[in-house]
Amino acid sequence: DTGVSQNPRHKITKRGQNVTFRCDPISEHNRLYWYRQTLGQGPEFLTYFQNEAQLEKSRLLSDRFSAERPKGSFSTLEIQRTEQGDSAMYLCASSLALAGDTQYFGPGTRLTVL
Amino acid sequence: GQQVMQIPQYQHVQEGEDFTTYCNSSTTLSNIQWYKQRPGGHPVFLIQLVKSGEVKKQKRLTFQFGEAKKNSSLHITATQTTDVGTYFCAGFDNYGQNFVFGPGTRLSVLP
Repeated sequence: DTGVSQNPRHKITKRGQNVTFRCDPISEHNRLYWYRQTLGQGPEFLTYFQNEAQLEKSRLLSDRFSAERPKGSFSTLEIQRTEQGDSAMYLCASSLALAGDTQYFGPGTRLTVL
Repeated sequence: GQQVMQIPQYQHVQEGEDFTTYCNSSTTLSNIQWYKQRPGGHPVFLIQLVKSGEVKKQKRLTFQFGEAKKNSSLHITATQTTDVGTYFCAGFDNYGQNFVFGPGTRLSVLP
């Protein structure tokens, strides 16, 4: 396994459209995290899963955002009715909770909303 | 809610000078992690500290976790141009529910 992968790497969409991103974690990792990062800022926590269960979701996260991890492996993050303020880098990370929870990040998906 | 702050926001140093960034949390942390993000890259894990007062070293990098588990520091001795990037601290609160990153310290090293 070569690490965490994310697809697509770049997404340009028009305001009001829905977008979906995919994250494939390191295979034996049971935790999966989604973050949003804008230029010059630290990663902002969105949500995380342990196996298929969504354990925590940021209170700042709009109802337009939803994430799933149906079989406890890959995860998808969907943004409905995108807004220009959603433009950011969306990062996924995975970890093995029993191993100190070190998070390994994927390369991210850069979303641009026109 | 939990807040994590870092100072300074930016630091410019001459190659060979030392560098320190400080991380402060509004709440007690169960552990603290440090990440480095190169320009255009993604965060890469550096280290995790768990125990109160813990100090760990990685070559020229020294990490410290405060006695109250609310602050931490990263010190780089004799910086090199390869140290350029943004250094983030991050941690879970004591309930293990909120994982928060600090805003980062951006380090520039002038050759």
